[in-house]
Amino acid sequence: EPEVTQTPSHQVTQMGQEVILRCVPISNHLYFYWYRQILGQKVEFLVSFYNNEISEKSEIFDDQFSVERPDGSNFTLKIRSTKLEDSAMYFCASKRGLAGGQETQYFGPGTRLLVL
Amino acid sequence: GESVGLHLPTLSVQEGDNSIINCAYSNSASDYFIWYKQESGKGPQFIIDIRSNMDKRQGQRVTVLLNKTVKHLSLQIAATQPGDSAVYFCAEKIQGAQKLVFGQGTRLTINP
Repeated sequence: EPEVTQTPSHQVTQMGQEVILRCVPISNHLYFYWYRQILGQKVEFLVSFYNNEISEKSEIFDDQFSVERPDGSNFTLKIRSTKLEDSAMYFCASKRGLAGGQETQYFGPGTRLLVL
Repeated sequence: GESVGLHLPTLSVQEGDNSIINCAYSNSASDYFIWYKQESGKGPQFIIDIRSNMDKRQGQRVTVLLNKTVKHLSLQIAATQPGDSAVYFCAEKIQGAQKLVFGQGTRLTINP
């Protein structure tokens, strides 16, 4: 069964450094998402991406964040200058999203980011 | 606002019993609802979903009920197994939006 994959599984970085989190969505999916989950808290939406552009973003997704689909398979989240409060589990998700249904978002296993 | 270090509601059931997990959603404009299971250190795993034009949907051992009048969603798991132990999240999608808005989660523990 196809699944969303993410790399790395864990990332430790120093405050102020840039990180890039990588995702390979399910191959025939059209919509891509990043969410995050701070330890012990709810899953929070960051951004959605469709047709090579951001379709929706949250207040969390400020100028320090960017997303890219550099080729036909990868979807990346970049944090330009990490802060302590960026420490969280970051989940990528994708959905098929064709008209008339297929709303289900499938999540990857996550990247645990720790900012020191 | 949200509290740091959220204390999850917990539900403990005996193996083989049925369990019901409840969720109150916030927006009457939501048109799609979904339940996820999250095991420790893993990503949310899709269980079952339902559109707002339905009030019940059944899957394998799971049933989702939607009551739009009181904005309530429930997940019923029949004949629970040890592997059902996890945190269960409901999520809603507002019509026209892309994002899922997650609830706080319920920790389900299956006792042998």
